[in-house]
Amino acid sequence: DTGVSQDPRHKITKRGQNVTFRCDPISEHNRLYWYRQTLGQGPEFLTYFQNEAQLEKSRLLSDRFSAERPKGSFSTLEIQRTEQGDSAMYLCASSLGKGGRTEAFFGQGTRLTVV
Amino acid sequence: DQQVKQNSPSLSVQEGRISILNCDYTNSMFDYFLWYKKYPAEGPTFLISISSIKDKNEDGRFTVFLNKSAKHLSLHIVPSQPGDSAVYFCAAQTGTASKLTFGTGTRLQVTL
Repeated sequence: DTGVSQDPRHKITKRGQNVTFRCDPISEHNRLYWYRQTLGQGPEFLTYFQNEAQLEKSRLLSDRFSAERPKGSFSTLEIQRTEQGDSAMYLCASSLGKGGRTEAFFGQGTRLTVV
Repeated sequence: DQQVKQNSPSLSVQEGRISILNCDYTNSMFDYFLWYKKYPAEGPTFLISISSIKDKNEDGRFTVFLNKSAKHLSLHIVPSQPGDSAVYFCAAQTGTASKLTFGTGTRLQVTL
């Protein structure tokens, strides 16, 4: 298993365009998370899936953001009508939610730059 | 409202010495705490965790201490090595939520 994989690693887009990021979690992990990290800050929670169900969304996740996890496998995060304030590192993580606590494993992230 | 705080943005330690990274939290519902290490252009990597029922957890050179009454935890790295140079994030979790709440990070520089 190669860990959590995110694609693309970098994305530069013009303001107003739509972008979509993909995350492939560790195969046996049923929980998948999206976080956003800006310079000088820690990762901020965006949303969380258990299998295919989206169980929690942060108020940071405006109507322009949508996430899916069809069939409980990979996930996509779409940002519509991008704004310069969306420029950040978007991190995906997965964990095995089975009783006791298990740590989340992070991917390398997708760095979004909105120009 | 920063529920997890790392008040030292940076720390420099000589190789072989002890590194102590600190973290404070305000939410008394947090009952599980984790430390992640992050190198540039990579995602955070899990380092060590501690449940609120314990006050210490050790894994090799890394030890995490938890003081619940003070809402404070610390990560001790001994001996520090140049490869430990990275940004360290403290994170917290509640029993009813799966998400992690992160601090702003401390950049550790281990010098020769």
